[in-house]
Amino acid sequence: GAGVSQSPRYKVAKRGQDVALRCDPISGHVSLFWYQQALGQGPEFLTYFQNEAQLDKSGLPSDRFFAERPEGSVSTLKIQRTQQEDSAVYLCASSLVTGTGGNNYGYTFGSGTRLTVV
Amino acid sequence: AQSVTQLGSHVSVSEGALVLLRCNYSSSVPPYLFWYVQYPNQGLQLLLKYTSAATLVKGINGFEAEFKKSETSFHLTKPSAHMSDAAEYFCAVSDREGRDDKIIFGKGTRLHILP
Repeated sequence: GAGVSQSPRYKVAKRGQDVALRCDPISGHVSLFWYQQALGQGPEFLTYFQNEAQLDKSGLPSDRFFAERPEGSVSTLKIQRTQQEDSAVYLCASSLVTGTGGNNYGYTFGSGTRLTVV
Repeated sequence: AQSVTQLGSHVSVSEGALVLLRCNYSSSVPPYLFWYVQYPNQGLQLLLKYTSAATLVKGINGFEAEFKKSETSFHLTKPSAHMSDAAEYFCAVSDREGRDDKIIFGKGTRLHILP
């Protein structure tokens, strides 16, 4: 597609429920990032994929968070046993190239999924 | 580790007035710096980026930013504000010490335009 697509746009989950958030990057993009943006804050890095390889997951806040990109295209961020502090907008970004080239080329962000845990 | 600090969580300017949004960075290596804009319920859009070429960087929608190494600053300016500029603005730095080049964002500045 023309841009990065994220679904669903909005998700309300009961505390303790598992959720799965989907990211469709731009076709052919190698790098894929997930960010978490709490209300009134800047986006915080969660994890990074280069094709299907998860090269950095240092930002995942707990072992309840899991991300995958099995075929190097679509990615899913899964949150198990959701808590109220997980309420945030989850942003996905992709880039055609990796490393510093990624920043020369630029990242394209999706519109995000707003997760509300009640 | 790289980081950015945005001065002022809210800035209000009158329509037609100068816009100045402040950002200071911390980096142990020559930084790549960015300004992103976020409109309500939308993703982040790149306004401009500095990647060690010209220190004065021009971006979209009439915005520009100047990289000043001596001041470790990368302030965003626009000569004349429009109502459509009302949004959240994020300064960011690239983590060039890692291998994934992730972007590290500031906390954001919400720009209000007064009629």
